[in-house]
Amino acid sequence: EAGVVQSPRYKIIEKKQPVAFWCNPISGHNTLYWYRQNLGQGPELLIRYENEEAVDDSQLPKDRFSAERLKGVDSTLKIQPAELGDSAVYLCASSPKVGEQYFGPGTRLTVT
Amino acid sequence: QKEVEQDPGPLSVPEGAIVSLNCTYSNSAFQYFMWYRQYSRKGPELLMYTYSSGNKEDGRFTAQVDKSSKYISLFIRDSQPSDSATYLCAMSRTGGFKTIFGAGTRLFVKA
Repeated sequence: EAGVVQSPRYKIIEKKQPVAFWCNPISGHNTLYWYRQNLGQGPELLIRYENEEAVDDSQLPKDRFSAERLKGVDSTLKIQPAELGDSAVYLCASSPKVGEQYFGPGTRLTVT
Repeated sequence: QKEVEQDPGPLSVPEGAIVSLNCTYSNSAFQYFMWYRQYSRKGPELLMYTYSSGNKEDGRFTAQVDKSSKYISLFIRDSQPSDSATYLCAMSRTGGFKTIFGAGTRLFVKA
C-alpha cells in the first residue's frame, strides 16, 4: 500500500514569493492534516479536513495561508507571500480513525 | 504551560539497554495516547497508540498510560542502534481528531 505522498521535498524561495505544497493521502483515508514542524519541535496543526470540508483551521494564518482539498482526496497548501518565519517542514498526514495518523516525508521550506 | 511536556534530551544509551521515554500532560480530557518515531529528514511514523489507561506491548516496545498522574511512558527493550531517532508523544481527546504533540526526545543508541 502506498503511503502519503508529498511534493516537492525541498523548496527554497525568497521572501514575499508564493509557494505551494501538494499532498496525496492514503487511499480511503477521509481525514487529512497539514502540520508545520519547526526544528526541535513537534508538529503543530495548521488545518484538518474531513473529506473536502475544513473542520479545524483555527491555527491557520489566514492572511497568508490557504488550503484546499478538492474532491476529498488530494490537498494543496499555499503561502502567499512567504515570510522568513515560515521556514519549516510542512507535513501532511492522513487518518482512518482517531489515534492513527500516517505522515508523508514532508516538504522542507527555506525562505531567504 | 504547554499541554504536553516532553524532555528533549538527548538521551544516549549503550546497545541492549532498556530505554524509558516519558511525557506529562495537563488536560484530563485526553483519551488517546500515541508514540511516533521520527528519523532525521523523515516524517513521523506511528509506533503505538493506546486508548485510556493501561499498558500495551508490541515486540520490544511497551506503552504505559497513567491517567491519574497524567503521565505516559514508552519503554524500549534491547535497544538497537537503529532505534536512534526522535520519539514524539501525542494525545487526542475523545470524539475529535485534533492531536497535540510533544516536542520530541532525541535518542542515541551506541553500538
